[in-house]
Amino acid sequence: DADVTQTPRNRITKTGKRIMLECSQTKGHDRMYWYRQDPGLGLRLIYYSFDVKDINKGEISDGYSVSRQAQAKFSLSLESAIPNQTALYFCATSDLPSGSQETQYFGPGTRLLVL
Amino acid sequence: AQSVTQPDIHITVSEGASLELRCNYSYGATPYLFWYVQSPGQGLQLLLKYFSGDTLVQGIKGFEAEFKRSQSSFNLRKPSVHWSDAAEYFCAVRGNKLVFGAGTILRVKS
Repeated sequence: DADVTQTPRNRITKTGKRIMLECSQTKGHDRMYWYRQDPGLGLRLIYYSFDVKDINKGEISDGYSVSRQAQAKFSLSLESAIPNQTALYFCATSDLPSGSQETQYFGPGTRLLVL
Repeated sequence: AQSVTQPDIHITVSEGASLELRCNYSYGATPYLFWYVQSPGQGLQLLLKYFSGDTLVQGIKGFEAEFKRSQSSFNLRKPSVHWSDAAEYFCAVRGNKLVFGAGTILRVKS
C-alpha cells in the first residue's frame, strides 16, 4: 500500500467551481506539503503544515486554501478555480530526524484541468 | 535564498550508454541535496540524497551523484542506461525550504 495517497488522481472542473484535493499518509509524519508542478517550472510550494495547528503559506498560495484535519490528512482547496490553476498537484510528507536532515516523500499526484 | 539550475531541459541517450544529468545550486551554507525521478504518470520517487560525509552518494536503480562544493554542483550519473530510465529528473536543494530545479527529461533510444 502506498504511504502517501492523493484523491482524486484526475479531475476536470469548470472555471468558478470550488474543488478540494485530498491527501492522506500512513507514514506518521508531522509535516505535510502541497506543491504544484508546471512544465518547465519544476515544483512550487503552495502551503505547508508542520503539525495539526500549524499552517503556513508557500510561495504561490494565492487562490488556494488548506485544511489539516488530522496528522494524517491535509486537504487543498481551490475556492474558485481558474484556468491557470491547471497543473499537476503533489502532496508530500516529511520526517525530521535530528540535525534537520529532512527528506520529503511524495504522493502520486492529482492532475487538474480547469476549463 | 537557495536556487537550483538544471541546464539541460532534454537529454537523449542510447540504451547502454552512460548518463550524466547536471545540477547546479546556489546556497550560502552547507546544502542538503536531492535527486528525484518522475516516471510518466507517476509521482516523484527519491533517488538519492546528500547530507554530509562522503561526497559520492549511491542511490537506487544504479544511480549515483557527486557533491562538488567548489563547483556548487550535484550531478547525477549512471554508467549504463536502461529504457526504463526514461523519465523526468529533478534536482532539489534544501536550505530553509526545499527548492526544485525545472527538471531534465531523459529520453532513451534503442
